[in-house]
Amino acid sequence: GAVVSQHPSWVICKSGTSVKIECRSLDFQATTMFWYRQFPKQSLMLMATSNEGSKATYEQGVEKDKFLINHASLTLSTLTVTSAHPEDSSFYICSARPTGAFNYEQYFGPGTRLTVT
Amino acid sequence: QQPVQSPQAVILREGEDAVINCSSSKALYSVHWYRQKHGEAPVFLMILLKGGEQKGHDKISASFNEKKQQSSLYLTASQLSYSGTYFCGTVGPNFGNEKLTFGTGTRLTIIP
Repeated sequence: GAVVSQHPSWVICKSGTSVKIECRSLDFQATTMFWYRQFPKQSLMLMATSNEGSKATYEQGVEKDKFLINHASLTLSTLTVTSAHPEDSSFYICSARPTGAFNYEQYFGPGTRLTVT
Repeated sequence: QQPVQSPQAVILREGEDAVINCSSSKALYSVHWYRQKHGEAPVFLMILLKGGEQKGHDKISASFNEKKQQSSLYLTASQLSYSGTYFCGTVGPNFGNEKLTFGTGTRLTIIP
């Protein structure tokens, strides 16, 4: 149980284009999902908290107009990187917290490696 | 502020024990431990709640000292599969703060 999927697993795009990454909780509902970014050999940095049916909460320093988050249902959140640039190349990981979870446990997706050329 | 983990990296022979520490500068509600292998997403290991909780599974256990704002992860009789980077994630100080702040990470390498 507690499986989270991400699609795509990797994507290569040209500078200036937009890329959408999907995060799905497969066997549970998730009112809250989280988006992280991880650079090589570094820790995970929270970008934003996504709540179903409401606007995402972005961490300080994260451009909300560049990283668009939509939590359309209890099992799906999407991250769109708009006008991507090479510095946006990174490993993007989502996690999902089961609705009603008492201890704030989160389950992570397999990640999406974005390369902007 | 990001929790600090120690050591940053450690190399062990199969069968040896390891201790990984996680220290926070703020009060905590809970500590979560994850293991991440290269190029993969973190895998959940366990959660510890404030109140001096200790728990374990197989040969991996952990403790949480809320007064010291520290948690330790114990790996006994390490196996090759234990290799990876270990992260602590902290929640707190209040119950209503559900964001997970990840620590600096500890890279564990197990050699035969």
